[in-house]
Amino acid sequence: GNSVTQMEGPVTLSEEAFLTINCTYTATGYPSLFWYVQYPGEGLQLLLKATKADDKGSNKGFEATYRKETTSFHLEKGSVQVSDSAVYFCALSDQNRDDKIIFGKGTRLHILP
Amino acid sequence: SQTIHQWPATLVQPVGSPLSLECTVEGTSNPNLYWYRQAAGRGLQLLFYSVGIGQISSEVPQNLSASRPQDRQFILSSKKLLLSDSGFYLCAWSPQTGEKAFFGQGTRLTVV
Repeated sequence: GNSVTQMEGPVTLSEEAFLTINCTYTATGYPSLFWYVQYPGEGLQLLLKATKADDKGSNKGFEATYRKETTSFHLEKGSVQVSDSAVYFCALSDQNRDDKIIFGKGTRLHILP
Repeated sequence: SQTIHQWPATLVQPVGSPLSLECTVEGTSNPNLYWYRQAAGRGLQLLFYSVGIGQISSEVPQNLSASRPQDRQFILSSKKLLLSDSGFYLCAWSPQTGEKAFFGQGTRLTVV
């Protein structure tokens, strides 16, 4: 079945550092890909999405590009802030297969001032 | 605008007691509905999802069940809670498959 694998955390960086959180997926079709963020004590909220190959999703300085050839959707940000500290989830939804939304295990990010 | 309500926010229940968590969505019709459990180190585990009234798909066999008695109402239940049922439960909805999901604020369940 479909699945999502993302890098284990926690990831600890200093403020203004460059961030990459790796995400790869397994899917038989052409899924939509998402990054969600969960701030401390809150539910999840969508950070960005991409619906087809080579699409780039972006929001709040974060970017991720849908790479079908490498089945990846890595999250990047050029200069992180303390307020970016949160748990980040990669997810996919394949409407040609079923109605599930499958999430990775999440990556906890700590940004030090 | 659409909103999702999930309650209660926190719950402490003894082992063997029943459970009922409720989730309702406003401002949309015929949403896809989802129940997830978030446990430390295990990420977000899909428990149940529903694409319509009375239609429930179960992902993980366990002592939990779900029901969708109305279009915008999704209920997570258990007849007898286990210690292992402790966790953070999240309800979510999406307009249709392939679209982004909107999450409730979650319920922190502690079984003692």
